[in-house]
Amino acid sequence: AQSVTQPDIHITVSEGASLELRCNYSYGATPYLFWYVQSPGQGLQLLLKYFSGDTLVQGIKGFEAEFKRSQSSFNLRKPSVHWSDAAEYFCAVGPGSGTYKYIFGTGTRLKVLA
Amino acid sequence: GAGVSQTPSNKVTEKGKYVELRCDPISGHTALYWYRQSLGQGPEFLIYFQGTGAADDSGLPNDRFFAVRPEGSVSTLKIQRTERGDSAVYLCASSSTVNTGELFFGEGSRLTVL
Repeated sequence: AQSVTQPDIHITVSEGASLELRCNYSYGATPYLFWYVQSPGQGLQLLLKYFSGDTLVQGIKGFEAEFKRSQSSFNLRKPSVHWSDAAEYFCAVGPGSGTYKYIFGTGTRLKVLA
Repeated sequence: GAGVSQTPSNKVTEKGKYVELRCDPISGHTALYWYRQSLGQGPEFLIYFQGTGAADDSGLPNDRFFAVRPEGSVSTLKIQRTERGDSAVYLCASSSTVNTGELFFGEGSRLTVL
């Protein structure tokens, strides 16, 4: 069965510091992987996605993520965090063979210190 | 508007009452999803529609939950005999391409059962 694990519930970084949010997945084949961001009072917005090809994908707002099959990981990174990046971040996988579900992780809440 | 619209944005009801939540997807999107997000959790899959039919309703927690999409556009999530445990944010998402499409989310309907 598909599953997504985000091991960090909360992360706090200083503005201008680099950021890495971890995501591990369980999947039977090459997955479709996504990162979404949810700001307070707003819907989830897609940051980036991986389907195939180059394992380093670029997204909006200066984010990137790297797919590592050997580690079953799809970590999100940003070289320099802005205060406006404070939000909740969700990793998702799917849909998969025989299913149309997108499975989401439990999220990582990012706090940015001025 | 151009995005996914959900109404009501907030709904407070009493235990045992019937509730309907509406989702108006992006025009032309054939795939529609309902998710439930409890406090501190990621979105949990409820049901997926492709056109008018429910292609996967395996996430509906019990028979008190039902969803329809009679004309392949607007969808309604119906909850009978609401319980306090049903309190959550109900998210709707639509997509133009099954299997590889980005999900576009609405802002959600926050349901509180007293």
